[in-house]
Formats: sequence, structure tokens, C-alpha cells
Amino acid sequence: SQTIHQWPATLVQPVGSPLSLECTVEGTSNPNLYWYRQAAGRGLQLLFYSVGIGQISSEVPQNLSASRPQDRQFILSSKKLLLSDSGFYLCAWSSIGGGMGEAFFGQGTRLTVV
Amino acid sequence: AQTVTQSQPEMSVQEAETVTLSCTYDTSESNYYLFWYKQPPSRQMILVIRQEAYKQQNATENRFSVNFQKAAKSFSLKISDSQLGDTAMYFCAFMKQGNDMRFGAGTRLTVKP
Repeated sequence: SQTIHQWPATLVQPVGSPLSLECTVEGTSNPNLYWYRQAAGRGLQLLFYSVGIGQISSEVPQNLSASRPQDRQFILSSKKLLLSDSGFYLCAWSSIGGGMGEAFFGQGTRLTVV
Repeated sequence: AQTVTQSQPEMSVQEAETVTLSCTYDTSESNYYLFWYKQPPSRQMILVIRQEAYKQQNATENRFSVNFQKAAKSFSLKISDSQLGDTAMYFCAFMKQGNDMRFGAGTRLTVKP
């Protein structure tokens, strides 16, 4: 069966520090991969999605970046965090082409920038 | 780009009663998927129900059903016999086949005993 791992679960970082959140998927190949951010009590904002290795689409210009170095690995990064980067970050995957299209989510990372 | 609108930020319902959550979307696509996700306090995203746009029949999953109106671009969720465990944020989502998934702002549902 397919599983998605996202870590860390909680992170407190000072302003100006770098960020690296990692997400890996098991049990499937060539998935679509997504990073979402959810502000407190708000909806999910799509940040990045990827349909293949090295293929990243960015939805919102900001100081975050994403990379997909391997088929089932998706990394969210920042060189210098801002206070406004605080939030709940969710990684997700879905099947390309066939399947029912639904996205499966990781447990999320609660990031607090102080 | 596709947009998803949930016009009800908060709703409440008495236990055992029925509640309907609204969702509209905007797209020029003819083939796509629609979803309702539930996010309980644990913040884990849980799929509640899905609908393929090419299917005219409304999807049903136990106490959960949808009213899919393709021409009106409307996709509402009906929860029957509401239970305390249904208390959560509910998100409507749209996905083009093989592409990114877009979410609405969410509706916070409270089921009262």
C-alpha cells in the first residue's frame, strides 16, 4: 500500500534561518507531488506541485522553493525564513493519469518562525 | 486557473440532523474531479467523498452524499444523521486530471449534542 511520510512534525525556527522540509512517498511510482500551506483557521494554499523529477511548478512567488531530486521525494526549502512563513505545511501525492485523482496527505509540519 | 469557493465559513447542526455544505467552482475544463475533505482537530486530511465530472450520478458514501450540478458548477455536501465526530473543517477541492488540486477556504462544521 502507498504511504507518505513528512517530517518534522513540529519546527520552531528563528527569522532569517534556512528551512528544509522533506516528504517521501512509498508504494507508488511517478506520483504528482504537492506542497500546501495552511494558515491558522484558513484553507489550503497550493505552493508547489511536481509532475516529475526536476519539474516544479510554483503557484505563489515567495522566498520558498521546492525540489524533487528523486521520483518520490519532495523538498520544501527556504534560504531565509520570514515571520510570515509560519503555518502548517502539508505534503500530498496523487496518481498521474489513471486512478481516481484524489490526493493523499502527509501528517503535516507545524512551522513557527520566531 | 481554477477557483473553488466555499461561502459558509462556519456552520452548526444538531446531532442526528442533516446539514448541507456549499461549494462552487470555476473552470473551463470538461473533465475533472471534485472532492470533499475533512480535517479534524488532528489536522490530518481525510477524503470524505469524490465525484468524477463525467458521471451524472451523485456520489454517496454512507451518511455523506453530494449534489453535483455541472452546468451550475456547484458541488454541495450533505451530511445526514450528523454525529459528534463529524465536527471538523470541511474543504471542497477541484482537480483536473493529472494536475494540481485546488481547495476552497473551508467550512468549519460544529455538531452540537
